[in-house]
Amino acid sequence: QKEVEQNSGPLSVPEGAIASLNCTYSDRVSQSFFWYRQYSGKSPELIMSIYSNGDKEDGRFTAQLNKASQYVSLLIRDSQPSDSATYLCAPEPSNTGKLIFGQGTTLQVKP
Amino acid sequence: DAGVIQSPRHEVTEMGQEVTLRCKPISGHDYLFWYRQTMMRGLELLIYFNNNVPIDDSGMPEDRFSAKMPNASFSTLKIQPSEPRDSAVYFCASSSGLGYTFGSGTRLTVV
Repeated sequence: QKEVEQNSGPLSVPEGAIASLNCTYSDRVSQSFFWYRQYSGKSPELIMSIYSNGDKEDGRFTAQLNKASQYVSLLIRDSQPSDSATYLCAPEPSNTGKLIFGQGTTLQVKP
Repeated sequence: DAGVIQSPRHEVTEMGQEVTLRCKPISGHDYLFWYRQTMMRGLELLIYFNNNVPIDDSGMPEDRFSAKMPNASFSTLKIQPSEPRDSAVYFCASSSGLGYTFGSGTRLTVV
């Protein structure tokens, strides 16, 4: 089993819809989880972090964490074409300070 | 703050040549990471440092790869000799323990 699994997509949604991105991870000790966005040809940028079970909202973005199921998700409400990018899930295994990245899910928001 | 600074942005070299990639982390960040990104393998952690000390180099693919961090403001990743399969984007990232900030990356092409 891979340490971090994401559906590579592409996930295509119409403008204004909710995009749902999912991630499962294998390390049960992970306490910190991060979502990064990477535009084509650019470097990853941090958009959300979550440390506790439940939901965390920041503007149009909501991260959801379920440690028992080893599952973390990212919801993007009112999707915009500018949200079209690859979204990378990154848990921090065993509080080592390092992040392990999934392959990423490519999101396409169509006008 | 100028962020994480990497140089060069692009590097084209011939097989067998030595390649040195450079990184200046954000001041005050005590973690520094080197990642390699390819379409096939995604973002792979090569090595990371904490307070200038290498902590985990298990991701370094071969002895041809080496990394140093002589002080808190500078790190290098060296490939000697380079091979075409080393072609990738190499990212440096730094952290204070709450998610990473990535540099713009070095696109390496070995011909």
